[in-house]
Amino acid sequence: NAGVMQNPRHLVRRRGQEARLRCSPMKGHSHVYWYRQLPEEGLKFMVYLQKENIIDESGMPKERFSAEFPKEGPSILRIQQVVRGDSAAYFCASSRAGINEKLFFGSGTQLSVL
Amino acid sequence: KQEVTQIPAALSVPEGENLVLNCSFTDSAIYNLQWFRQDPGKGLTSLLLIQSSQREQTSGRLNASLDKSSGRSTLYIAASQPGDSATYLCAVKITGGGNKLTFGTGTQLKVEL
Repeated sequence: NAGVMQNPRHLVRRRGQEARLRCSPMKGHSHVYWYRQLPEEGLKFMVYLQKENIIDESGMPKERFSAEFPKEGPSILRIQQVVRGDSAAYFCASSRAGINEKLFFGSGTQLSVL
Repeated sequence: KQEVTQIPAALSVPEGENLVLNCSFTDSAIYNLQWFRQDPGKGLTSLLLIQSSQREQTSGRLNASLDKSSGRSTLYIAASQPGDSATYLCAVKITGGGNKLTFGTGTQLKVEL
């Protein structure tokens, strides 16, 4: 049973380009979460999704950032027109349905904006 | 707004010592509290999850306690080993907050030979 899979592990973009980060949840998990870890800071919640549905996006910047979790395929976190301040580690987690379920994290995508 | 604090920020101990990591949170209305470890350049590994109705959880050399009324949790590591060196994070899931976790900033542990 593979864990949460994120790709790519490292992504380099120039300012103004688009970044697409992918996350495949663990088998049997229907909930996906995205977190961001800025240098020297803790993990901050961004967005929580179920299949084809955004449940909570209260932590996501209003502009340039979007997330989806389609019926088929991985969850995608998309950052348009990246800026240097977007450089961070982006972690995806997944869980089963239920408020007391444990979250399992992927290894993250390190985004570097030049 | 829930705030999670971890003390100390960094800790260095000799191999074999027992140690305690502390986590405090401001809002006691939580569903559960989870302890993770993070190795450099890697993701998070879940260590222990304590439901709000529980007082403690144990796994091997690890024991986590929860005092919800005082907003505190401790992670006890017995007979520490160099392989325990990592950053330890606690995270709470609050009632009415959906399924999202609020993380502390972590304790960076180094166990020396």
